[in-house]
Amino acid sequence: GAVVSQHPSWVICKSGTSVKIECRSLDFQATTMFWYRQFPKQSLMLMATSNEGSKATYEQGVEKDKFLINHASLTLSTLTVTSAHPEDSSFYICSAPTSVSYEQYFGPGTRLTVT
Amino acid sequence: GNSVTQMEGPVTLSEEAFLTINCTYTATGYPSLFWYVQYPGEGLQLLLKATKADDKGSNKGFEATYRKETTSFHLEKGSVQVSDSAVYFCALSLTGNQFYFGTGTSLTVIP
Repeated sequence: GAVVSQHPSWVICKSGTSVKIECRSLDFQATTMFWYRQFPKQSLMLMATSNEGSKATYEQGVEKDKFLINHASLTLSTLTVTSAHPEDSSFYICSAPTSVSYEQYFGPGTRLTVT
Repeated sequence: GNSVTQMEGPVTLSEEAFLTINCTYTATGYPSLFWYVQYPGEGLQLLLKATKADDKGSNKGFEATYRKETTSFHLEKGSVQVSDSAVYFCALSLTGNQFYFGTGTSLTVIP
C-alpha cells in the first residue's frame, strides 16, 4: 500500500536554530498534506494543511512564522521550525489523504528535541 | 467542539485475553469514527472505521460499533495476540481531512 515517509525520524537541535522536517508520499501524489503535533500522553493536534502550489492553512493558535510549511512538489511537504525553543520539542507527524474517502496515510513521525 | 476521549493506558493483557478500549466522542455534526493503530517505528495505520450510527467496523478480529446514543466507539477483540501490541488511537472526522484524535492507549500482550 501507499506509504508516507518522514525524515529525519529524530533530531536534536540547539535553541535558536532552525530545523527542517520532510514528509514524502512514496508511491502516490498528494496535493494536500497535513501536519500534526503530539505532546507526550496527549492527542495529535492538527497544526496546518499543506497545499501544493499555494500557501499552507494554519490552525488557530499556530504561529505561521515559526512553523514554515512548503509544499514543493506533489510528493514532498516540508515543515521548518524556525528559531526553535525547548517548548517546540515534540513529536511531529504528517499525513496525506488516500483515494478512499475519509482515509489518510500517516508518516512515522519525527521526534524533535530542542536543547 | 469536537473531541475524543479514550481510556488511558497502558494496558497489559495475557495472550488470548479479551480486549476492550473505551472511546467516547463529542462532535458538532455527524462524524465518521476511526480506530488507528501504531506499531513501534511506524506510522498510524487505519484499523477500522464506521461512517454512520449503528455501523460496525471490523478488521483483523477487532470490532467497534458506532453508538450514537452513548456517543461511543469502543474497540474490542475477543482473543488478543502478542502481535497486537501497539498504541491504539480513536479518532473522528467531520470532513475527511481534519481528524480529532484521542490520547492513544498503549497495549502490551504478553505470552
